[in-house]
Amino acid sequence: SQQGEEDPQALSIQEGENATMNCSYKTSINNLQWYRQNSGRGLVHLILIRSNEREKHSGRLRVTLDTSKKSSSLLITASRAADTASYFCATDRVSSNTGKLIFGQGTTLQVKP
Amino acid sequence: EAEVAQSPRYKITEKSQAVAFWCDPISGHATLYWYRQILGQGPELLVQFQDESVVDDSQLPKDRFSAERLKGVDSTLKIQPAELGDSAMYLCASSLEPDIEETQYFGPGTRLLVL
Repeated sequence: SQQGEEDPQALSIQEGENATMNCSYKTSINNLQWYRQNSGRGLVHLILIRSNEREKHSGRLRVTLDTSKKSSSLLITASRAADTASYFCATDRVSSNTGKLIFGQGTTLQVKP
Repeated sequence: EAEVAQSPRYKITEKSQAVAFWCDPISGHATLYWYRQILGQGPELLVQFQDESVVDDSQLPKDRFSAERLKGVDSTLKIQPAELGDSAMYLCASSLEPDIEETQYFGPGTRLLVL
């Protein structure tokens, strides 16, 4: 069963624009992670935000977390054609300590050159 | 940079046949995960190993799927018999420990098509 829902399902922007994608989840979490998947490939870890953090930055990535709304957003600034990929949020569960992740459905981002 | 290896990359089989996928995690990673990813969806955990022991196989269809990690290093996932609905990408991932903050490193996946 999938914990998260991502919005939008698909996003198309021009190079240089910012891209924002959102993730909502259902149960209490310890942390939330974002992964990227290039077409037909495995996933690559981007960033982790803990439940007691509200915002985190990594290069051109900015992640926010609102535990009261059970939602997170990923902002990619100054997008590049190479950012074209699917982006997934993944959460653990407070009741679990095994590292098990539950992934959302993903947002497919297309950045046009 | 160390990577998770998977083989084969692609597999086409007919329904009712047996298929097997292999995964070699990053050296030293005690935790190994097998995921199934249906087209257009996120990965779903099938089975998680800590060394050679199964930690979680609650989503593994045990009537047809089996997984092993005999020496706590590489792992094999088997489907017998394959069904049309098994067509998907099968991803292997590994992490140092089964910790809630450990990054999971994914292999390139095996894309399975069942005809």
